[in-house]
Order: sequence, then structure tokens, then C-alpha cells
Amino acid sequence: ETGVTQTPRHLVMGMTNKKSLKCEQHLGHNAMYWYKQSAKKPLELMFVYSLEERVENNSVPSRFSPECPNSSHLFLHLHTLQPEDSALYLCASSQDGGLYNEQFFGPGTRLTVL
Amino acid sequence: AQKVTQAQTEISVVEKEDVTLDCVYETRDTTYYLFWYKQPPSGELVFLIRRNSFDEQNEISGRYSWNFQKSTSSFNFTITASQVVDSAVYFCALSEAGANNLFFGTGTRLTVIP
Repeated sequence: ETGVTQTPRHLVMGMTNKKSLKCEQHLGHNAMYWYKQSAKKPLELMFVYSLEERVENNSVPSRFSPECPNSSHLFLHLHTLQPEDSALYLCASSQDGGLYNEQFFGPGTRLTVL
Repeated sequence: AQKVTQAQTEISVVEKEDVTLDCVYETRDTTYYLFWYKQPPSGELVFLIRRNSFDEQNEISGRYSWNFQKSTSSFNFTITASQVVDSAVYFCALSEAGANNLFFGTGTRLTVIP
């Protein structure tokens, strides 16, 4: 185990649903990340939080809304998603927010949008 | 153009064979970092190595070795005496320190056949 947990592990939702993904890290890190992993595409960095402040937002549609209430928890709120948003969503953490750091990943949430 | 290219989509080897996974990167930064991560079937990416652009020394860790060649912009990964547990998807990544960006390749799926 990497010290990063994600729930749920699998999620199926309709396009009109609202759901949230949760990530928790037990490593005492100060930075957390959301990634999207789609088949045959590079891993896409979505959001970066450092000391609970969002420092990167890589042109992610507004139907994805992150929240970082403290340095140990990160949420991704989902609403009115599209079928092409179906993917594996990975959370990661690192000691600080520099992207040159080693990152520790959770097991991901497999999201299917119907 | 992709920043990180992993031309080998899938590789199969028989147990105990050596295998090399290729990674070619593109950057104009003089300070950058290169990574390899392993993604087993359980989903979480596991950090394997980080090298900075000023350190071209090759590295060996057990059965793993890495060959960093700035002249060809490559950071190849070799597994000697492969084992079934090495079966996973392996990702190469580039971090540009100045821009604080992080780019992953599309990954190479390695299957080690017993």
C-alpha cells in the first residue's frame, strides 16, 4: 500500500447525477493531485493542490470541481458528466507541490458514465 | 507533439529474459526531471526512479537499470532476468522544473510469460 486511499473504487453514474470521489493520504504530505487515465492516452494531470490551495488547473471542464478541505483530504465533485468522462481517476500526493517530486498514488476510482 | 514518447505499446517476454523499455522525451528546459512509474493490475502507480537533467550516470537497483542519454533525449529502463511479478504497465514521465509541468507517456504494457 502506498498510503493513499480512494473511495469508491468503482462508480457508475448517469449524465444527470451528482457524485463525489474521495481521496485521503496518510503520509503527512502537503500536496495532492487528481489525474485522469483514459485508454491509450497519456495520464492527464487535472488539478494540483499545495497546502490546501489550488495551484494548477489544466483546462479541466467545470463539470469537475475539486475540493481540498485539509492537506490530508481531496475530493472531486462530479456533475452532468459526459460518456467520454469515463476513465480511471487517480489521486496522488507528494511532500510539496513541485511536480519534480516523487508522487504516491492511490488505486484509483473506475468511473463509468452512462 | 508529445513531450514523452513510449513507442512500445505492448511487450511480451518469457520469464528470465531481459527486456528494455524505451522512453524518448522532448524539452527546451535545461533543468528537468525524468521518472519511471510502474502500474500493476491493482491500479496505483508505484514510483521507481527519478533522475535530474544534470546527472547522466546510469543507475542500477537490483534487476532494474536505467540508461539516461541526453544526446538522444532518452531514458530507457531495463529489467534483467524478468519475473512474472514484473508484468505491469510502465510509465515514463518528464517534469519541467521551470514551468512546473509534468507529462506522462502513454505507457508500455509488459507481460512476462512463465
